[in-house]
Amino acid sequence: DAGVTQSPTHLIKTRGQQVTLRCSPKSGHDTVSWYQQALGQGPQFIFQYYEEEERQRGNFPDRFSGHQFPNYSSELNVNALLLGDSALYLCASSLTGTNSEQYFGPGTRLTVT
Amino acid sequence: AQSVTQPDIHITVSEGASLELRCNYSYGATPYLFWYVQSPGQGLQLLLKYFSGDTLVQGIKGFEAEFKRSQSSFNLRKPSVHWSDAAEYFCAACKRGSQGNLIFGKGTKLSVKP
Repeated sequence: DAGVTQSPTHLIKTRGQQVTLRCSPKSGHDTVSWYQQALGQGPQFIFQYYEEEERQRGNFPDRFSGHQFPNYSSELNVNALLLGDSALYLCASSLTGTNSEQYFGPGTRLTVT
Repeated sequence: AQSVTQPDIHITVSEGASLELRCNYSYGATPYLFWYVQSPGQGLQLLLKYFSGDTLVQGIKGFEAEFKRSQSSFNLRKPSVHWSDAAEYFCAACKRGSQGNLIFGKGTKLSVKP
């Protein structure tokens, strides 16, 4: 049973560019959440998708957007990249319902130069 | 504002010694509580969780955590540390009944001396 997978593993972009990160949830999961983990910090919640809709959003600007597909996979898009967007981006999946834990993928390391 | 605090940035223990990692939370009501471990270059692995009931929670890899409402704490413990336990440990919380929006502490890096 495959767990949460993310692609690519690493990415280098230039300031001002746009980037798309991808996530496939654990089999049977229908909810995907995205987190940003800056170096030396704990992860910070970006947003969560369920039934192809953004259900919750953290304190991130509109430059951060996402999408969920009918197969529950998800994309995170970041426009107009800033140096401060350099971080590990983690995807987590879960099954909607109470007391459901989140399973995390290995992350995508984004470096903005 | 809701927050999770891990007071210790870095802890070093000898192999075979006991371990306690501290975590305090600030929420309007008792949240769901979690401990995750992250090895270098890896994602997060769930060690244990507390939703309700018994305040002493058993997890994987020999870890346990105790929820203390009066102290707003959820400390992680292990009786005997192994060299493979060296990693970064994160305490996290989310609003009761919610699934997303985990709020994480800044993490405690654990080093293990041979």
